[in-house]
Amino acid sequence: KNQVEQSPQSLIILEGKNCTLQCNYTVSPFSNLRWYKQDTGRGPVSLTIMTFSENTKSNGRYTATLDADTKQSSLHITASQLSDSASYICVVSAPQAGTALIFGKGTTLSVSS
Amino acid sequence: DSGVTQTPKHLITATGQRVTLRCSPRSGDLSVYWYQQSLDQGLQFLIQYYNGEERAKGNILERFSAQQFPDLHSELNLSSLELGDSALYFCASSAAGSREGYEQYFGPGTRLTVT
Repeated sequence: KNQVEQSPQSLIILEGKNCTLQCNYTVSPFSNLRWYKQDTGRGPVSLTIMTFSENTKSNGRYTATLDADTKQSSLHITASQLSDSASYICVVSAPQAGTALIFGKGTTLSVSS
Repeated sequence: DSGVTQTPKHLITATGQRVTLRCSPRSGDLSVYWYQQSLDQGLQFLIQYYNGEERAKGNILERFSAQQFPDLHSELNLSSLELGDSALYFCASSAAGSREGYEQYFGPGTRLTVT
């Protein structure tokens, strides 16, 4: 079983709408949780990094939340744009796990006009 | 543009062969990380180097090896290639040796196709 599970696997929304992507993890303890945006065929780009003591962090139209008690994180995208079409990857940093950065498989978001 | 460069962009080779992927980190970054991304898998951490020395190992096969040179560029060597090695290989760099809390900047990747 993956230690970082993301849902939904894919999502289609209309331009201008909001959406929320989910990340559930079982990694414990962990030091930080990151969200990356990856355009097709390109390297991931960091959106947010949150330590276990942070509840929310924003980066423009992207807002990430973290509930360390329930081991859940979400990424909320406001007023979506066509350029938001990409894969969004949740990553948990857990040095004790050996591999340190554990990646989810991502949610593929398609924004249509 | 992240400032991390990778060459080549695409590589097509046959099973059993050996290839070398190259990565130049952002100016000033001492850490280099290698990742593999297959179609049906998420990104998998392979190995990290910090200032020329191996710092951490992930799911790296024995057929794979890496090194970081004095000018801080890094190479990932893949040998005895199998069809299953076909994937995108990403390099990332960061300023610090610790993987925690520090931003990692990813390169554009090398797409390896093994036929």
